[in-house]
Amino acid sequence: AQSVAQPEDQVNVAEGNPLTVKCTYSVSGNPYLFWYVQYPNRGLQFLLKYITGDNLVKGSYGFEAEFNKSQTSFHLKKPSALVSDSALYFCAVREGYDNNDMRFGAGTRLTVKP
Amino acid sequence: GAVVSQHPSWVICKSGTSVKIECRSLDFQATTMFWYRQFPKQSLMLMATSNEGSKATYEQGVEKDKFLINHASLTLSTLTVTSAHPEDSSFYICSAKRGSTDTQYFGPGTRLTVL
Repeated sequence: AQSVAQPEDQVNVAEGNPLTVKCTYSVSGNPYLFWYVQYPNRGLQFLLKYITGDNLVKGSYGFEAEFNKSQTSFHLKKPSALVSDSALYFCAVREGYDNNDMRFGAGTRLTVKP
Repeated sequence: GAVVSQHPSWVICKSGTSVKIECRSLDFQATTMFWYRQFPKQSLMLMATSNEGSKATYEQGVEKDKFLINHASLTLSTLTVTSAHPEDSSFYICSAKRGSTDTQYFGPGTRLTVL
């Protein structure tokens, strides 16, 4: 079965600095990868997804992610962090684009300090 | 587009009572809806998947008689926690997608506290 790993529980960055939230995945077939963000006591908001095509995917709020097949990674990045980016970020993978079975990582808490 | 709502956003109930949580897709028809449970500082745990007009498919370890799911229309799914107990206290989140290849869109969640 597919799975994702988010190796960092917590990421701290200073406002204005670039940020990276790491995600690695494991699937036996083609991966379909997603990033979601969760603010306190809220549901998940969709940020971006990789299905096929360009390895660099651009999403909401200035976020982007790079699909790296050889490293089985899909790291989330932003060139210049904002304090308002502080939240919980989840990476998710589906094996097969029409598959209902989506697996989430454990989440990474991003804190951006002024 | 692709907005999912949940009601109520929070609920407190006594042990032994039943609680119903609604999940609605506001601007699209959802062929498939999902119910997740999230414990503090943990990831989402899929409880069940439901297709409109069909019985829900429950994940292993989830009691179908305790967590009743109904997906009666293309815009509404309900989760009823029957005979709730304090260990059922959690954050319940639904999601929906339009078709088999669609992105999942999530509701804002419902915090259930059972006293």
